Amino acid sequence: NAGVTQTPKFRILKIGQSMTLQCTQDMNHNYMYWYRQDPGMGLKLIYYSVGAGITDKGEVPNGYNVSRSTTEDFPLRLELAAPSQTSVYFCAIYVGGSGYTFGSGTRLTVV
Amino acid sequence: AQKITQTQPGMFVQEKEAVTLDCTYDTSDQSYGLFWYKQPSSGEMIFLIYQGSYDEQNATEGRYSLNFQKARKSANLVISASQLGDSAMYFCAMREEGYSGAGSYQLTFGKGTKLSVIP
Repeated sequence: NAGVTQTPKFRILKIGQSMTLQCTQDMNHNYMYWYRQDPGMGLKLIYYSVGAGITDKGEVPNGYNVSRSTTEDFPLRLELAAPSQTSVYFCAIYVGGSGYTFGSGTRLTVV
Repeated sequence: AQKITQTQPGMFVQEKEAVTLDCTYDTSDQSYGLFWYKQPSSGEMIFLIYQGSYDEQNATEGRYSLNFQKARKSANLVISASQLGDSAMYFCAMREEGYSGAGSYQLTFGKGTKLSVIP
C-alpha cells in the first residue's frame, strides 16, 4: 500500500525474544496507529500517536511499547514475546476525512 | 459492551444476487463515522464506504450502499450484483468524533463477516 511501509512482512519469534516492527510513512501525516488482528477476528488498537513525541495506549497495549521520534516512523516494540502475541500487525495512518491508509501487515508467529 | 457488533460470522450469496451484511454500533457521541472495509485472502484492508452520523442520505459507492438507520444504530452494507471477487472478510468500523473519540480519529472494528460468493 503506497504511503505506509511495514517491515518485516513475516517473522517467527521464540518465546521470550524481542523485536521491533517497523512502520514508515511518506505522507507527512500526524496520526498513526498500530492494530493487531487475531485469526478470524477484527482489528484491535494497540497504540496510537497524534504526532511526533505523542503516543497513547489503545485497547490492547500490554506487552508492547511504541515511540514516535519523527513524523515518518512509528515502531512497535515487543518485549518478551509470548504465544498470545501471534497475530497479524497492521500499521495505519489517518489522511483526513474518511481516509485511512493501512500497511500490508506483518505476520508474526511466536513459538 | 461491544461498540461494533457484526452478528453474521459467515454468509453465502449466489453470484449476481444482492447481499446485506449487518452491523450495529454503540456510542454516546453525537458525531461519529461508520466505515466498511473489505479484506480479501491476500490480507490488505480495502476501504469501501463511509457514512457520517449527520449525513441525511445513505452513502453509495458503485455496487456498495450503506443502509444507515440512526435510531436503530445500524449501518448495514448492501452489495448488489455480487461477483466472485467479492468473496472476502468484511469489517464494519466506527470512528467516534466527540468526547469518546477525544480527537484521536481511531477506528474501532467489528469481528467481521466472511462472505462467500457461489458461482
